[in-house]
Amino acid sequence: SQKIEQNSEALNIQEGKTATLTCNYTNYSPAYLQWYRQDPGRGPVFLLLIRENEKEKRKERLKVTFDTTLKQSLFHITASQPADSATYLCALSGSARQLTFGSGTQLTVLP
Amino acid sequence: DAGITQSPRHKVTETGTPVTLRCHQTENHRYMYWYRQDPGHGLRLIHYSYGVKDTDKGEVSDGYSVSRSKTEDFLLTLESATSSQTSVYFCAISESQASGDNNEQFFGPGTRLTVL
Repeated sequence: SQKIEQNSEALNIQEGKTATLTCNYTNYSPAYLQWYRQDPGRGPVFLLLIRENEKEKRKERLKVTFDTTLKQSLFHITASQPADSATYLCALSGSARQLTFGSGTQLTVLP
Repeated sequence: DAGITQSPRHKVTETGTPVTLRCHQTENHRYMYWYRQDPGHGLRLIHYSYGVKDTDKGEVSDGYSVSRSKTEDFLLTLESATSSQTSVYFCAISESQASGDNNEQFFGPGTRLTVL
């Protein structure tokens, strides 16, 4: 069956360090993968999209990699700040072009 | 937030009663979606629409129906609410579904529904 797994439900890191979040999937062949940020009590907010033929995408302090052989995406936040604390969701495009979301990783950046 | 509103924002109802949630957009986006979010399950697609009067089922559509009579409004109806439908419901919109640009989804603020 199709499955999306995001590493550990919660991740704590020290301010200034790089946070690395993992999204693994099985039985998908996504055309693209997206990352979203969700703050408590609010809807998700789109951050980045990476296509199957792209290895890496950057946006300011964010970097996403996409390895279709390993079936994995890594999401990095460099020079992390307490304001980066949130839940981060990965989402894959399915065969019907609908997005399927992982359950998210809750990131806490400690001052 | 993109121009998406959801109403009501909170609702408590009893088992067996009908409930309708409304999503309204001012972005003129073609695609609209209803998701539910539950602890441990993430966001799951209930139904989506690819145009006025054009809708299709998502992963967890049982017990839900939708209607879209205007581009800007997408309604989600629970014909007879059950306790298992207690959840946070999010509406989302997107301009495209293609693998190119403009297929990111913009989410509304959510509706917290409790079925007693």
